[in-house]
Amino acid sequence: GAVVSQHPSRVICKSGTSVKIECRSLDFQATTMFWYRQFPKQSLMLMATSNEGSKATYEQGVEKDKFLINHASLTLSTLTVTSAHPEDSSFYICSAEGLAGYNEQFFGPGTRLTVL
Amino acid sequence: DQQVKQNSPSLSVQEGRISILNCDYTNSMFDYFLWYKKYPAEGPTFLISISSIKDKNEDGRFTVFLNKSAKHLSLHIVPSQPGDSAVYFCAGGAQKLVFGQGTRLTINP
Repeated sequence: GAVVSQHPSRVICKSGTSVKIECRSLDFQATTMFWYRQFPKQSLMLMATSNEGSKATYEQGVEKDKFLINHASLTLSTLTVTSAHPEDSSFYICSAEGLAGYNEQFFGPGTRLTVL
Repeated sequence: DQQVKQNSPSLSVQEGRISILNCDYTNSMFDYFLWYKKYPAEGPTFLISISSIKDKNEDGRFTVFLNKSAKHLSLHIVPSQPGDSAVYFCAGGAQKLVFGQGTRLTINP
């Protein structure tokens, strides 16, 4: 089956620093990738849709300048949390869209970000 | 505005019995519904989906029922096994997925 990896799986950083999270589709090419955020015991909230070679589409309420998304190739999308603050601590999950479209998403294992 | 709701945060079922997880939605534009299973600190794993033009889809022990008039869908797992213990998310889709809050299912031996 389709495999999506994320790196790092866990990161702890100081407030004010920037953190980059990578999402890779290992055995298939993904024109579209999605970035989600999950708070404890809550739903997965879509942050942005990342399209290869173009600008990401952000959901309402998500700061574009804070959560920088780059989808430079068909197998890699990156999310950079700039000037991270404790309230940015969360579980970030990416997914890659399969050939069937948005209703076929393969999820990565997630990245736990803790900002001190 | 919560477009997808899972009103039961948790459910406990005896092994071998049927588990029924429920999900309600408000967006009539959803054309696809999906169920995912998730373990702590892991990404969701796809379980089963259903198109809005159908009312039932079955895959092994998993069956999803869709009642469009009631804007309600349910996931039936039968027979339930201890390995089914996880958090289950339903999601509605219209070019992107909107997830419910999840239901923690515990299967007791």
